[in-house]
Amino acid sequence: ILNVEQSPQSLHVQEGDSTNFTCSFPSSNFYALHWYRWETAKSPEALFVMTLNGDEKKKGRISATLNTKEGYSYLYIKGSQPEDSATYLCAFRNNAGNMLTFGGGTRLMVKP
Amino acid sequence: SQTIHQWPATLVQPVGSPLSLECTVEGTSNPNLYWYRQAAGRGLQLLFYSVGIGQISSEVPQNLSASRPQDRQFILSSKKLLLSDSGFYLCAWSRGGDYEQYFGPGTRLTVT
Repeated sequence: ILNVEQSPQSLHVQEGDSTNFTCSFPSSNFYALHWYRWETAKSPEALFVMTLNGDEKKKGRISATLNTKEGYSYLYIKGSQPEDSATYLCAFRNNAGNMLTFGGGTRLMVKP
Repeated sequence: SQTIHQWPATLVQPVGSPLSLECTVEGTSNPNLYWYRQAAGRGLQLLFYSVGIGQISSEVPQNLSASRPQDRQFILSSKKLLLSDSGFYLCAWSRGGDYEQYFGPGTRLTVT
C-alpha cells in the first residue's frame, strides 16, 4: 500500500493571503506526481503533472515544486481569491503501473 | 475535443439492491479507463482500471465489479449493495498510462 499524505487537511485564509500546502509520497520508484483542483459539484481538474526532481510548474497564481529524493511536493497559491476555494488533491504514480494513488486532499477556503 | 459522461448523477438505492453506473468517453480511442470512489471524509480510492476492451484490473476486493463491453464504455456494477458502498463515484480516462487523467462529473450514491 502506497502512502500519500497531504497536509493540512483544511485551511482557511483571507482573500489576498498567499498559502501553501504539502503532499508527501514514497521516495522510491517515483514516476510522476499529479496535482488536481476539485471544486464542489464539479469534476477534479488537472493542474500539473511533475516528473523530474526539482521541477517547478506554474499556472497563473498557482505553482508547484517537486522533491523526489525526499518525497514531497508543495503547492503554492499567491494572493488567494474566493474562487480558489476547492479541495486540492495530489496523486503519486510509481514506475510499476498505470495507477495513481491519491492523497486525502487539502480543503482550502478563501474568505472574501 | 474529448468529453466524459457519467450517469446517473445521483442515485438512492436500498441495501441489497443491484447497481449499474455507466461511463462513456467521446472524442478519443483506446483510452485507459478508471473507476474511483470517495467515501465520506476520505480521499479518492481507485477501484478498477482498464487498458482495453474486456481487460479489467481490480485494486480493492469488494462486492463491486466492472466491465468494459466497448472501447469507450466502462460500467460499474454490484449484485447487492451494502451501506458501505455509499459515496461519490468518479470515472476517469487517460491516453495510456503516461498522461494525466480526466474525470467525469461523478455519481453520488446513497445506500439506505
